[in-house]
Amino acid sequence: DAGVTQSPTHLIKTRGQQVTLRCSPISGHKSVSWYQQVLGQGPQFIFQYYEKEERGRGNFPDRFSARQFPNYSSELNVNALLLGDSALYLCASSRGIDRSAVNSPLHFGNGTRLTVT
Amino acid sequence: AQTVTQSQPEMSVQEAETVTLSCTYDTSENNYYLFWYKQPPSRQMILVIRQEAYKQQNATENRFSVNFQKAAKSFSLKISDSQLGDTAMYFCAFMKRGRGSARQLTFGSGTQLTVLP
Repeated sequence: DAGVTQSPTHLIKTRGQQVTLRCSPISGHKSVSWYQQVLGQGPQFIFQYYEKEERGRGNFPDRFSARQFPNYSSELNVNALLLGDSALYLCASSRGIDRSAVNSPLHFGNGTRLTVT
Repeated sequence: AQTVTQSQPEMSVQEAETVTLSCTYDTSENNYYLFWYKQPPSRQMILVIRQEAYKQQNATENRFSVNFQKAAKSFSLKISDSQLGDTAMYFCAFMKRGRGSARQLTFGSGTQLTVLP
């Protein structure tokens, strides 16, 4: 089975622009989470979606938004880009939220490297 | 809120030797999970080992084992018989346990492990 796939792999944007990142979960996984990893730091939680509903949100401004589609894929949108938004954006999927984390671990994609100039 | 601290930014070990990576965390939760992830240059976050906080027995996965000290809020990772392929950034992570809870991981800042030939 294919793992979590993210597109694009790299992206360069200018300050003030908008960007959309995409994630396809592992087949059968209904939950998708997004993380931001700034260079030299650990990932930070942005959103979790399950069954197309937002189930969790981290401490990020409203410029960040996301959605999940009926096929469980997801998009992360960032508006009015700032230099500080430059980071690796990771997507993770799992079967659901009603199973223990031990039995339904998170599987991560390879990320999208966003550079804002 | 939870915090995870990894106080060793970089470590190195000779091939075939044993190395221990440290992690401490702070939480008021009683039910939670702890994880170690590795992130090689490919950027994908790979689950190494996981521990359920209510289990006193330390988790083991082949050459990887943990020393979980709940009272001290300590969760160290021991890698035995280190291999060149173990070279990666290692992250300690915390997840609150609870039915319907967001699958939110809180990561430490990471330890870059280099295995020397």
